[in-house]
Amino acid sequence: DQQVKQNSPSLSVQEGRISILNCDYTNSMFDYFLWYKKYPAEGPTFLISISSIKDKNEDGRFTVFLNKSAKHLSLHIVPSQPGDSAVYFCAASQPPNTGNQFYFGTGTSLTVIP
Amino acid sequence: DAGVIQSPRHEVTEMGQEVTLRCKPISGHDYLFWYRQTMMRGLELLIYFNNNVPIDDSGMPEDRFSAKMPNASFSTLKIQPSEPRDSAVYFCASSLFGNTEAFFGQGTRLTVV
Repeated sequence: DQQVKQNSPSLSVQEGRISILNCDYTNSMFDYFLWYKKYPAEGPTFLISISSIKDKNEDGRFTVFLNKSAKHLSLHIVPSQPGDSAVYFCAASQPPNTGNQFYFGTGTSLTVIP
Repeated sequence: DAGVIQSPRHEVTEMGQEVTLRCKPISGHDYLFWYRQTMMRGLELLIYFNNNVPIDDSGMPEDRFSAKMPNASFSTLKIQPSEPRDSAVYFCASSLFGNTEAFFGQGTRLTVV
């Protein structure tokens, strides 16, 4: 029962263009969302997060958008760079008093073409 | 801090053998998580600890899997007996609080033949 879904296993984008990675969730209790980036043979590293009280959070080239009514979030990377080529995982969690685990999606492999 | 340290990085074992994966979390982090990465399910939580106490092990696939955290700086994930379908990358992660970003180790790639 996958509560966090990333329906695009892969995405290719030209360098300099925008990359948009999508994530859907089913649990309305989720109130905190994160994106992780993973290079081959390495562990995932935290990229950016957003709380459910916001609908947008920006950090440099990375922006996460949250649409609670649609239970959808997206990660925008502008401009995309070859070093952004990696697998991106979306994750979600419930409020602390209802559980302390993150539910991860299956990941989207991004390739930025020089 | 050197981050979350996992050992070994790679493990190849024969079906039926016992396998032990090790993890050293970041000092001061109260939460420790064990994940398994597969193509079908992505990063799947197996078990997590808070202050060395197992809180939720509902993700542990079978009784063949067990995890311990004897102290704040060490945890093990054991599979006995191992089976080929256990082949995956196993990650350990730690966090300061339960619902803040977790820091992952580099993972252990397990191959059971």
